[in-house]
Parts: sequence; structure tokens; C-alpha cells
Amino acid sequence: DTAVSQTPKYLVTQMGNDKSIKCEQNLGHDTMYWYKQDSKKFLKIMFSYNNKELIINETVPNRFSPKSPDKAHLNLHINSLELGDSAVYFCASSQGPETDTEAFFGQGTRLTVV
Amino acid sequence: EDQVTQSPEALRLQEGESSSLNCSYTVSGLRGLFWYRQDPGKGPEFLFTLYSAGEEKEKERLKATLTKKESFLHITAPKPEDSATYLCAVSYNKLIFGAGTRLAVHP
Repeated sequence: DTAVSQTPKYLVTQMGNDKSIKCEQNLGHDTMYWYKQDSKKFLKIMFSYNNKELIINETVPNRFSPKSPDKAHLNLHINSLELGDSAVYFCASSQGPETDTEAFFGQGTRLTVV
Repeated sequence: EDQVTQSPEALRLQEGESSSLNCSYTVSGLRGLFWYRQDPGKGPEFLFTLYSAGEEKEKERLKATLTKKESFLHITAPKPEDSATYLCAVSYNKLIFGAGTRLAVHP
């Protein structure tokens, strides 16, 4: 069983399109995250949800909108995609919002905007 | 500005050749330091958490240590399957990741 699963694994789309990435965790964790890994391999947090409530919202364009229908799911919707949005997006989860507990990551979604 | 710097960027070792990876940080109010392993095309996989200076943790050929300003990941007698990118992350109110060290172990 995959602990944190994301779909799709690859996403190629044209500039200006709207797309969504879905994430589900079966670990019973309360906190979920979206991270972006750029071409230089830096992982940066974008959003964090605890029990469906947004607790971290980094400086991310408002074209990015996370949605958590329940604590096992955290989706990422991106409007009006731009070339600079091309990156690998990782979903992760942890037991709680305290940052001293380990996070479990999905396999990533490679987004390519052309 | 809070920063996490990992060195070297890349490291090539022969099988059995021990070495260390470094993670230095400038974060006030550190809550923990994490080491993750990332294989190509996959998400980071948790290895260790260290909470206080002087703490050490071991797992197979890996040993992580922590001082007040840096952490080391020691790899003893590495095997080709240890080849991966090793990421360090520090936490205070969020996780800040370093850029990683790409390790290649050749037979």
C-alpha cells in the first residue's frame, strides 16, 4: 500500500491552462503539505493543512489554490499556468503540525508547461 | 536569513570508501534537523531526526551527528545501492531544505 500517493505522476500542459494535482494519504496523519522542487533541486514548502485547516501559506502566487476535502486528501489547483511553474510538486504528510516530526512524501508530480 | 547549506554538491566514492556529508545551518530556534534520502524520480525518504547537539543516530552504514551549527552524515563502507541524493532539512516553524548532496558509489 502506498502511504502518500499523488496523481498524475507526469503532467504536460500549455501555458494558460488550468490543472489539478491530487494527493491522498492512508497513514491517518492530521497534517498534509505541498512542496515545490525546482530545477536546482531545492524543496520549498508551499502550503500546509492541519485537519483541513490552512496553517502555512508561503509566498505563492494566488494562481495556486490548495483544497482539502478531508484530512486524508489535499489537492492543488493551478490556474493560468506559466512556464515558470514547471517543477516537481510533492505532497507530504505528518502526524501533526509540529515541524519536529518526520514527513512522508509522495512520489512527486513532474509538471511541464510548454 | 535562515539558511541550510549542504556540501559537497556531489560526491563520487568507490565502494567501501567511507566519507561524510555536511549540513550547516543558520536557523534560530531549531526544533530538529532531518536527513532524507531521495532517489531519482521519487520523493524524499526519511532517514533520521536529531534534536540536540551531541546527538547521534545510526542506521546500517549511515550515522548522523549534530552540533550547534552543523550536522554530518557519515557513510561507512558504502555500497552502490547507497547512491542517491541526501537532503538535510531544519525545522523551526517550517522545514527548510538544503539543496542536497548527490552521492554516487561505484563498484
